[in-house]
Amino acid sequence: EVQLVQSGAEVKKPGESLKISCKGSGYSFTTYWIGWVRQMPGKGLEWMGIIYPGDSETRYSPSFQGQVTISADKSISTAYLQWNSLKASDTAMYYCAKTRSSWAFDIWGQGTMVTVSS
Amino acid sequence: EIVLTQSPGTLPLSPGERVTLSCRAGQSVSSNYLAWYQQKPGQAPRLLIYGASNRATGIPDRFSGSGSGTDFTLTISRLEPEDFAVYYCQQYGSSPLTFGGGTKVEIK
Repeated sequence: EVQLVQSGAEVKKPGESLKISCKGSGYSFTTYWIGWVRQMPGKGLEWMGIIYPGDSETRYSPSFQGQVTISADKSISTAYLQWNSLKASDTAMYYCAKTRSSWAFDIWGQGTMVTVSS
Repeated sequence: EIVLTQSPGTLPLSPGERVTLSCRAGQSVSSNYLAWYQQKPGQAPRLLIYGASNRATGIPDRFSGSGSGTDFTLTISRLEPEDFAVYYCQQYGSSPLTFGGGTKVEIK
């Protein structure tokens, strides 16, 4: 079964750093792009960026460029989303999703809820 | 950046009805790389349609997609109780990828 399993919910304070993970299984991890999508409470979906685990080529949405870092470790089939200094406005559900041969997202992780509060 | 506008924002309907959801792009979507997703409360989105008209694996044939260029449509031929959800379109023909604001299909 193809699946993406994300790390658990996080509660952080403003200014703290955070790295959340997304582990793929049941398919060739290095062959398909993995994207990250933000969903703020009660809001819609926002594309953050995407990485090709085979060579770590990464693209970012202009809205998130410089705000987060996307990386991957193909040896353990895991992609990451990282913040150096969290803000309250980063409070959201974050999903990773695997692409098909093009960039439609056919398999989604279960989501990681990040809460940033003092 | 390609802006996607979905209409209507909310659609009150009854089971058994036919549903037509609209997604309009601010500029032409390359190669008709337009996808539709369904999201239910507390769940991750699920891919329904890719390439404007191709059903994803396991998606019932009551779901169909059509359109090209800047105007796209998702049709549900006959609403089932499990179809009440929020539907998003997404273009993936050019970076940055973008999503529409969503249409909520709710029970009348």
